[in-house]
Amino acid sequence: EAGVAQSPRYKIIEKRQSVAFWCNPISGHATLYWYQQILGQGPKLLIQFQNNGVVDDSQLPKDRFSAERLKGVDSTLKIQPAKLEDSAVYLCASSLMGNTEAFFGQGTRLTVV
Amino acid sequence: QKEVEQDPGPLSVPEGAIVSLNCTYSNSAFQYFMWYRQYSRKGPELLMYTYSSGNKEDGRFTAQVDKSSKYISLFIRDSQPSDSATYLCAMRGGADGLTFGKGTHLIIQP
Repeated sequence: EAGVAQSPRYKIIEKRQSVAFWCNPISGHATLYWYQQILGQGPKLLIQFQNNGVVDDSQLPKDRFSAERLKGVDSTLKIQPAKLEDSAVYLCASSLMGNTEAFFGQGTRLTVV
Repeated sequence: QKEVEQDPGPLSVPEGAIVSLNCTYSNSAFQYFMWYRQYSRKGPELLMYTYSSGNKEDGRFTAQVDKSSKYISLFIRDSQPSDSATYLCAMRGGADGLTFGKGTHLIIQP
């Protein structure tokens, strides 16, 4: 079974630029999550989708971050404009349903300079 | 007080030792408890998944949950150098997103 796919693996941008990350969850998984992991910290939930609807985006900085999950499969997370403090690993995870095991992708490491 | 507390370590033990990793939490609504292993520059890998209180064993790994004390543990028997990684505890109340601890950096010395 293929795992959660994310791209790109690494990205370096200047502050105030925009960036987008892509995630393809495990086939059949209805729930998709985006997490932000700052160096030395545990992952922090940014947004949770159930199919193509948003379940929880309470910790998403909506003035600069946006996410969508069209057709309930792939998802993109965008940051515009980026700040230095956005430097982190952005992890995508998926689960069959909201209360089952969540499986993570390799993450996208973002450096904002 | 953070919702989930986890000692970041590093924790260094000799090969073959029994390792004990722990987390405490404050939210009594948490019902599902997980342990993830994360190698450097990799995504978290699910090790153990438990519901409510009790023990669960899988090979060299044992997860314990004590909801009355709001305390969870992961034990690793016969530790190997390949077990060196960061171990993250995570928990949720129902169908919501996971709340993670900071992670414990574990080093197994050959």
